[in-house]
Amino acid sequence: GENVEQHPSTLSVQEGDSAVIKCTYSDSASNYFPWYKQELGKRPQLIIDIRSNVGEKKDQRIAVTLNKTAKHFSLHITETQPEDSAVYFCAASKNSGGYQKVTFGTGTKLQVIP
Amino acid sequence: KAGVTQTPRYLIKTRGQQVTLSCSPISGHRSVSWYQQTPGQGLQFLFEYFSETQRNKGNFPGRFSGRQFSNSRSEMNVSTLELGDSALYLCASRKGQEANGYTFGSGTRLTVV
Repeated sequence: GENVEQHPSTLSVQEGDSAVIKCTYSDSASNYFPWYKQELGKRPQLIIDIRSNVGEKKDQRIAVTLNKTAKHFSLHITETQPEDSAVYFCAASKNSGGYQKVTFGTGTKLQVIP
Repeated sequence: KAGVTQTPRYLIKTRGQQVTLSCSPISGHRSVSWYQQTPGQGLQFLFEYFSETQRNKGNFPGRFSGRQFSNSRSEMNVSTLELGDSALYLCASRKGQEANGYTFGSGTRLTVV
């Protein structure tokens, strides 16, 4: 089955710096890659996603890049702010018998230091 | 519109008991998934239902079971509770079987004593 590895597990950055979280996946059939943000004590929320026919997607300070050949995708947060502190999960999804099967990474705890 | 609703929010049970958790998806969402979240363990997939059928199952023992009703509401049951079952149980819904993101509920915090 699909295996999604996420690195680093923890990340500390100074406010205003950039943060990058990387994920690799094993199944080349994966075609959809969402990212979730989970603030302390709250539910995970979808913040950005990318499909396999696109190499990069941006939404204000957040961007995601996808390298299908290398089977890895990354989340980039620029000009980090304290409210970006959270656990971030990547996921890879593929069609399996007419159904989209989702596999999550293990999460990255991001701390933005004011 | 209403989000994903999970009940109860908190639950304390003793070892050996059983528990049933409930999840009401967003209106129109037919797919419901369940995840177990423990500190340092990320999101562990339990199972996913679509149109009352279990579509996928994670690597959990048979003590963990679920079902989905015709109105897409789902329940998860854990029998013979163990201390290690203490966790946050998250339910997530999505519209159908196509590739799109989940909307998560706030979870049920289960404590087994």
